[in-house]
Amino acid sequence: DVKVTQSSRYLVKRTGEKVFLECVQDMDHENMFWYRQDPGLGLRLIYFSYDVKMKEKGDIPEGYSVSREKKERFSLILESASTNQTSMYLCASSSFGGANSEAFFGQGTRLTVV
Amino acid sequence: GENVEQHPSTLSVQEGDSAVIKCTYSDSASNYFPWYKQELGKGPQLIIDIRSNVGEKKDQRIAVTLNKTAKHFSLHITETQPEDSAVYFCAASLFSGGYNKLIFGAGTRLAVHP
Repeated sequence: DVKVTQSSRYLVKRTGEKVFLECVQDMDHENMFWYRQDPGLGLRLIYFSYDVKMKEKGDIPEGYSVSREKKERFSLILESASTNQTSMYLCASSSFGGANSEAFFGQGTRLTVV
Repeated sequence: GENVEQHPSTLSVQEGDSAVIKCTYSDSASNYFPWYKQELGKGPQLIIDIRSNVGEKKDQRIAVTLNKTAKHFSLHITETQPEDSAVYFCAASLFSGGYNKLIFGAGTRLAVHP
């Protein structure tokens, strides 16, 4: 079974903390994505990567950065967490075709910033 | 900017009835339209997709139709069952900044009552 694993299901962090969300996929996929899910807004793309050490900004990159040092791992970093970053974060991966092919999602990390 | 509108936001049906969810997109160059189902506590999972060279696609009880002229596409679920209860997201591909990205609708919460 294909698998995208996010390191935490739930996280509570304090305002101003540096937060790391980790994602690992075991399908040897080239493409990895970070989305944010909020009620009434659907999924919004934060950052994506089509190759190791490559990253591109999505639609809402402000306040976030990413790291992809290995093909299977894509990390999302909140440099200084703020309350408006309280949300559900979803990692996904896909093979050839980038966004034009099936994306496999992790189970999500619900982050609360207090 | 480019967006995908999805209606309705909530849908309640009796078991055995049909359910229809509609989406419209703004970028006429979009050529890939997936539908994802998200069950409680899980990440979204692809259930069906359609490309712009096809007008309709069916997989057992689910079907998707695409009208490129009107820039809208729809998900049809027949003979609904309680296990169809979930949040459904439509998406459309967008070519921007040299890459393909997916723009998601806001989601439809479907409840199927026994």
